[in-house]
Amino acid sequence: ETGVTQTPRHLVMGMTNKKSLKCEQHLGHNAMYWYKQSAKKPLELMFVYSLEERVENNSVPSRFSPECPNSSHLFLHLHTLQPEDSALYLCASSQGVPGQGLNEKLFFGSGTQLSVL
Amino acid sequence: RKEVEQDPGPFNVPEGATVAFNCTYSNSASQSFFWYRQDCRKEPKLLMSVYSSGNEDGRFTAQLNRASQYISLLIRDSKLSDSATYLCVVNRSNDYKLSFGAGTTVTVRA
Repeated sequence: ETGVTQTPRHLVMGMTNKKSLKCEQHLGHNAMYWYKQSAKKPLELMFVYSLEERVENNSVPSRFSPECPNSSHLFLHLHTLQPEDSALYLCASSQGVPGQGLNEKLFFGSGTQLSVL
Repeated sequence: RKEVEQDPGPFNVPEGATVAFNCTYSNSASQSFFWYRQDCRKEPKLLMSVYSSGNEDGRFTAQLNRASQYISLLIRDSKLSDSATYLCVVNRSNDYKLSFGAGTTVTVRA
């Protein structure tokens, strides 16, 4: 266990569905991240939250909507996704504050394997 | 040019062998370097940081060559449990924008 819990582990959804991915970290970290990992491709940073404030939105389509209600929880709301959005979605956390010595050592959750039909 | 490039492999090696592979990065201003390990269908986990002077952690040795802009990972006395994909990670500045390579797959056979 890395201290970062993601649910669900697997998700199959149609293009018209709305679903949410959940992430919770028990490490006392103050930065949380969403990454997308497609087959044979590098991890792509989607969003970063530091101290519950979004500090990065890496040109992600609006059909992905993040939410960070507190420093321990992070959500990714999904709606009207496309088949090319099928991928492994990884949540991560780290200590530190961006621009002030953020600790690059990321702790990842187990990921949500998403399939869009 | 990609920010971080890795030979995807796979590197197929027998138990007990030594395997080594490199990762190149494009931004000469990069400051921090890491190797993460990712098992099949699992999350990445930090294996080791890479320091300028090179560093060792048991059977694993990491090296940094700033002049040629690459880092390397060497695994000695390979074990079956070393089979995984090794991700090269580079941070170009003191922020959160880590750049990941696509990974190098290593398969250790009995």
